[in-house]
Amino acid sequence: RKEVEQDPGPFNVPEGATVAFNCTYSNSASQSFFWYRQDCRKEPKLLMSVYSSGNEDGRFTAQLNRASQYISLLIRDSKLSDSATYLCVVTASGNTGKLIFGQGTTLQVKP
Amino acid sequence: EPEVTQTPSHQVTQMGQEVILRCVPISNHLYFYWYRQILGQKVEFLVSFYNNEISEKSEIFDDQFSVERPDGSNFTLKIRSTKLEDSAMYFCASSVGGQPQHFGDGTRLSIL
Repeated sequence: RKEVEQDPGPFNVPEGATVAFNCTYSNSASQSFFWYRQDCRKEPKLLMSVYSSGNEDGRFTAQLNRASQYISLLIRDSKLSDSATYLCVVTASGNTGKLIFGQGTTLQVKP
Repeated sequence: EPEVTQTPSHQVTQMGQEVILRCVPISNHLYFYWYRQILGQKVEFLVSFYNNEISEKSEIFDDQFSVERPDGSNFTLKIRSTKLEDSAMYFCASSVGGQPQHFGDGTRLSIL
């Protein structure tokens, strides 16, 4: 089983649509969870941390279910500028800060 | 906003040659990392570095790889004898505590 698994997509949606991405992780000892965004051939950029209580940042909502080892990201009112690859990222066990990345889910927002 | 900077942006090297990739982490950060991403694949952890020593390294980070923080600002990754399969984007990252990590814009390494 992959350490972090995501549906690679691509997700093609019209502007204004709501889109949801899912992710599962295999290590129950993971402590921290993130969504990063990566534009083509660029560095990963932190979109948001994910907390057990769920958290929202503008049009973006992230959820974590530790029991199911499942993470989600919801994007409301999609913009053309949201087109990118969204990376589900978890920390490995231990305190070294090692991040484990999913393959990423590609989103294409069309006018 | 402070950022992690990496040089060069693109490095082309003959197989078997040594290469050094350079990074300047954010100034008050204490934890430093190298990751790589082969074209079309996921980002992979290479090494973490804290308090002037390696805290964890992956299976990829074999004897051909080394890291150094030679002064108070630079963090370098050296590959002693490059192989074709070392061709990838190499990202440096830093953090105050363990998380969140801020990434530099990467060095594209091409091995010929």
